[in-house]
Amino acid sequence: GQQVMQIPQYQHVQEGEDFTTYCNSSTTLSNIQWYKQRPGGHPVFLIQLVKSGEVKKQKRLTFQFGEAKKNSSLHITATQTTDVGTYFCVGNAGKSTFGDGTTLTVKP
Amino acid sequence: NAGVMQNPRHLVRRRGQEARLRCSPMKGHSHVYWYRQLPEEGLKFMVYLQKENIIDESGMPKERFSAEFPKEGPSILRIQQVVRGDSAAYFCASSPPGLANTDTQYFGPGTRLTVL
Repeated sequence: GQQVMQIPQYQHVQEGEDFTTYCNSSTTLSNIQWYKQRPGGHPVFLIQLVKSGEVKKQKRLTFQFGEAKKNSSLHITATQTTDVGTYFCVGNAGKSTFGDGTTLTVKP
Repeated sequence: NAGVMQNPRHLVRRRGQEARLRCSPMKGHSHVYWYRQLPEEGLKFMVYLQKENIIDESGMPKERFSAEFPKEGPSILRIQQVVRGDSAAYFCASSPPGLANTDTQYFGPGTRLTVL
């Protein structure tokens, strides 16, 4: 069945450092979505990528979808304490499969 | 437009009791998903429903767990004879009609179940 691997599982950074999480699917995806879950909260939709090689930006966040539509990344430039939380990718190919998430902690 | 609503937000049960978790999707949404999240772990898909139909229950434990989404009223996730290992946060999400695998899922606040 479809598998979505996400790395790293945890990332600790100093405030101001960059952060990247990677998502890899065992199958070609129709699209990929990214969600953020704050500690104690619920997942909140961030963005959806559909096209091969697509790059989208939201302020300090940059999302990429690989050419083969099997991998994706989320990069945060100059992290802030408000960026803490767990970032999930969701691969869609007939069904939705969540990655296990990358939990980001930011030291002030 | 109210978001996805879940109740109760917190539920405490003793071993052997039943737990009923409710989810009201966003207005106009006809797809409902249930996920379980154990402490310090990711979201695990349980079941996907449309009105009066279970579309995919591949993530549901074979025993004690059931889900429904009736024509009227909220979706219900029911856990019979709860055990301590059922303690988790249960999230419901909904998406609009159409190709569900391409739609954004909107999550509710979750129900945090504690089994004593």
